[in-house]
Amino acid sequence: QVTLRESGPALVKPTQTLTLTCSFSGFSLRDNGMCVSWVRQPPGKAPEWLALIDWDDDKYYTAPLKTRLTISKDTSKNQVVLSMTEMDPVDTGTYYCARTISGWDGYYFDSWGQGTLVTVSS
Amino acid sequence: HSVLTQPPSVSAAPGHGVTISCSGSSSNIGSNYVSWYQKLPGTAPKLLIYGNNKRPSGIPDRFSGSKSGTSAILGITGLQTGDEADYFCGTWDDSLSGAVVFGGGTALTVL
Repeated sequence: QVTLRESGPALVKPTQTLTLTCSFSGFSLRDNGMCVSWVRQPPGKAPEWLALIDWDDDKYYTAPLKTRLTISKDTSKNQVVLSMTEMDPVDTGTYYCARTISGWDGYYFDSWGQGTLVTVSS
Repeated sequence: HSVLTQPPSVSAAPGHGVTISCSGSSSNIGSNYVSWYQKLPGTAPKLLIYGNNKRPSGIPDRFSGSKSGTSAILGITGLQTGDEADYFCGTWDDSLSGAVVFGGGTALTVL
């Protein structure tokens, strides 16, 4: 059974750096085709993909936020960490991590964490 | 605005069917597989369709997907009140140095 769980601060101040951790079980990021992504959803808006890291340690970022994002993995701990610098109130939203499959059927997100609400406010 | 274009809302009566479109370009839908997700308020998204038209185990065959050129469609038949949710499409985009792109989401109302 695949499970993912996000953890991190619920409240950050503007200009601070947000660090979120995705702890997962039921799969390994050593296995071909396995990836973990971060997706966020601002209140009342559509989900937005942020970043992806794959089994080969390749990293991809959404272009508008590329300079602010860093994704990394600790395969031994089954964790993926996302850092986002220069947080702004517009970054408020629910942040999800999701197992992402990369294979013959393209990229898709087959298991998701429950999400963690991050509010950016002074 | 989102790279993939979806209608903001669709509606239909219980028992009826509905389709939701997802329009992109040659660099995303035109050259990559499409997936679809259901998002209920307060819950995580749920994978409905992957590989354009494949259903994960546990997803009823009332849900279907198709792709033609640079557009994809999610079809839902036998609508139930529990299908009321937001639906969004996703795919890979080759033009952005590699990136996942999502549609803006479509709110389904089952009248």
